[in-house]
This record gives sequence, C-alpha cells and structure tokens, in this order.
Amino acid sequence: KAGVTQTPRYLIKTRGQQVTLSCSPISGHRSVSWYQQTPGQGLQFLFEYFSETQRNKGNFPGRFSGRQFSNSRSEMNVSTLELGDSALYLCASSSGGDTQYFGPGTRLTVL
Amino acid sequence: GQNIDQPTEMTATEGAIVQINCTYQTSGFNGLFWYQQHAGEAPTFLSYNVLDGLEEKGRFSSFLSRSKGYSYLLLKELQMKDSASYLCAVREYGGATNKLIFGTGTLLAVQP
Repeated sequence: KAGVTQTPRYLIKTRGQQVTLSCSPISGHRSVSWYQQTPGQGLQFLFEYFSETQRNKGNFPGRFSGRQFSNSRSEMNVSTLELGDSALYLCASSSGGDTQYFGPGTRLTVL
Repeated sequence: GQNIDQPTEMTATEGAIVQINCTYQTSGFNGLFWYQQHAGEAPTFLSYNVLDGLEEKGRFSSFLSRSKGYSYLLLKELQMKDSASYLCAVREYGGATNKLIFGTGTLLAVQP
C-alpha cells in the first residue's frame, strides 16, 4: 500500500497570505489528523477528520481550518499567515482509533 | 492539565542498550505510542501500549505503568542508524478520538 502523501513538500509565503495544504491518507483509512511541529513546541495537534466530519480540535486560532472529502483526502488552510506559523505540518492517517501513520510533511516558511 | 516529560538528549554507544523514559499527566488515557523521527523526516511508528507491561518488537521494547503514569522505550544492540529523535505520545480518552499529545522528544546520539 502506498503511504500517506502530502503536497506541496515545501512552501514559502509572506505574512498576511493564506495557504492550503493537502493530505492523501493510506488507502482505506478514514481518519486524518493534522499536527504542527516546531523546534520549540514539538508536535501539536491541530484537528482530526473522520468520514468528512471534524472529530476533535486542538488549541489553535480560527485561522487554522480544515476539511475532508468523500475520498478521505484532507486539506488544511491557514489564513492571514503570521511569522510564527512557520513550521512542519504533518498529517497522519489511521483506519479509525488505532495507530496513526505520518506523511512526510509540508515545510511552510512565512517571510 | 496535560504534561508529557522526556529527557531532551541522550548519548549511547553502538552495541549498547539505552532506555528512554517518559512520564505523563493527562486528563484521560487511551494508549501510549512511541515514534522515531530522523532529522528532516516524518515520525515512524515504533510501539503501542495500552495495558501495563512490556511489549517487545525485535530490538525495541516498550513498557507501560498506568498507575505511575510512566513508560520507557528500550533499544538494544544500538546501531548508528538509531540516532534520531524518539517521541512519546499519549492518546486521550473520550469517545472516538485520535488526538495524540506528544512530548518534545528525546534526541538520541549513538556514538561509535
């Protein structure tokens, strides 16, 4: 089976812009979770989608949003980018409530 | 509150055994995971404990004590390729959720 894929792998944006990141889970997996990884804070949970519904949400501002499509692919959007949003954004898929498998991540740099 | 503690860095010698500890205080508990992350790469799954005791997988073992809020990852016969960050993560309990709370990771350096 192919693993979790994320696009794009690298992205450079400027403050105030918005960005959309994409994640395709492992075939058959219906749960997609998103995490932000920074050197200072480590991995922090953003939100989880299961069968097109947001099932859980972390403590991030409303500028961070996401959605999931009927084929389980997921997107996350960050609006009005700030310098502090520079991070590695990881998505992880699972079949339900078990082990999460991570994608390679999208490295976002905000200038 | 939610708190997961791991040592920041550890150093060990090739061929030796190293134990990486993780203590946690979370509002709920539904399993503990260990992931390995090489620099610039995605975390990869190593082990999962939900009941007390030891889980063994080749050179890697993980232990859990729920009453003590404690886990450790044991790596045997260390190889240079084991140099990586090791992440401890707790899955919260509360309905159907995959929310993982991560520690900041332990950077392991394996020396010849």
